[in-house]
Amino acid sequence: KQEVTQIPAALSVPEGENLVLNCSFTDSAIYNLQWFRQDPGKGLTSLLLIQSSQREQTSGRLNASLDKSSGRSTLYIAASQPGDSATYLCAVNNAGKSTFGDGTTLTVKP
Amino acid sequence: NAGVTQTPKFQVLKTGQSMTLQCAQDMNHEYMSWYRQDPGMGLRLIHYSVGAGITDQGEVPNGYNVSRSTTEDFPLRLLSAAPSQTSVYFCASSHGQLGYTFGSGTRLTVV
Repeated sequence: KQEVTQIPAALSVPEGENLVLNCSFTDSAIYNLQWFRQDPGKGLTSLLLIQSSQREQTSGRLNASLDKSSGRSTLYIAASQPGDSATYLCAVNNAGKSTFGDGTTLTVKP
Repeated sequence: NAGVTQTPKFQVLKTGQSMTLQCAQDMNHEYMSWYRQDPGMGLRLIHYSVGAGITDQGEVPNGYNVSRSTTEDFPLRLLSAAPSQTSVYFCASSHGQLGYTFGSGTRLTVV
């Protein structure tokens, strides 16, 4: 059974800091890994998708890495802004289904 | 494209009532799945489908039924609602090795 763990559960940083969110998974037989953002009371917004054969993906200030052999992914956020405050979810995807971590709740203070 | 459409957005049920949450996608995706999200937690898989006519159980299937008669639709049925089923329900779809696209969710309260 796939298990996904996200560390830390919560993180508070001052505006402008660079930060790293961590995701680990137990079964390396995956299609891809996806990072989502969820604002309170809202749905899931896809941020980055990394295929199992890829090592990293970048979008603007976000960079996600994947080390399938060790079962780890990181989401790097550069120059954090108050608008980045949200919960970030890591999802490990296979045919028909995703397994999610419990998320990291990020607060960026002005 | 509309993407993944879930209806209704909000619903209040009495204990013991039944209802169907609707999910439709217009992207010709083969994979569809249902999740529930409870406060402070990630998403847990209820049921999923890898194609029309094929469904399987996820992590928390008890109390829910699904069917997939068409590629586009994947309804979730609550047979006899219980307060423990109060949650936010999300439907998602994907194709091949694309990422998953999620609907906006259904907020269900069982009283």
